[in-house]
Amino acid sequence: RKEVEQDPGPFNVPEGATVAFNCTYSNSASQSFFWYRQDCRKEPKLLMSVYSSGNEDGRFTAQLNRASQYISLLIRDSKLSDSATYLCVVYASGGSYIPTFGRGTSLIVHP
Amino acid sequence: NAGVMQNPRHLVRRRGQEARLRCSPMKGHSHVYWYRQLPEEGLKFMVYLQKENIIDESGMPKERFSAEFPKEGPSILRIQQVVRGDSAAYFCASSSGLAGGSFEQYFGPGTRLTVT
Repeated sequence: RKEVEQDPGPFNVPEGATVAFNCTYSNSASQSFFWYRQDCRKEPKLLMSVYSSGNEDGRFTAQLNRASQYISLLIRDSKLSDSATYLCVVYASGGSYIPTFGRGTSLIVHP
Repeated sequence: NAGVMQNPRHLVRRRGQEARLRCSPMKGHSHVYWYRQLPEEGLKFMVYLQKENIIDESGMPKERFSAEFPKEGPSILRIQQVVRGDSAAYFCASSSGLAGGSFEQYFGPGTRLTVT
């Protein structure tokens, strides 16, 4: 099993739709989690951290499910500009400063 | 407050030449990471450095690749005797590190290396 797995998609949704992605991780001791967004041929940009209690930022909600070892990202009222690849990032515990990136989930929002 | 800077943005090298990629972290950040991304692939960690120290280079190929982050100046990723398989986007990211209370990383625009 890969350390961090994501469904590559693409998820093809109309504007205004709600879409959710999951990201599973294999190391049960993982401590820190993030979602990044990467546009084609650009650098990844930090979207949001994922806290144990969940985290909401406007139309975006991130949640952590430790029991099932996955994090999720929910996007409400999708915009055309949300089209991108969404990367999840996991840090293991034990003082590791090395993140593991998932390969990303592609989202295409169409008119 | 300038973000992470990388140069050059595009670099073309012939097989056997050397490639030097530079990264200046965000102001106040002393931790630098280098990643490689092949087309249609995910980001692969290469090396993690702090000023004058290599903390973890477990993702770096054993030969031809080296990295440094001197006390003064940018971090440098050096690839000697490049081969076609080295063609990729190389991203640098910086963070304030655990001492700064954050694992959040901020990426530079990347250097796209093409080996002909």
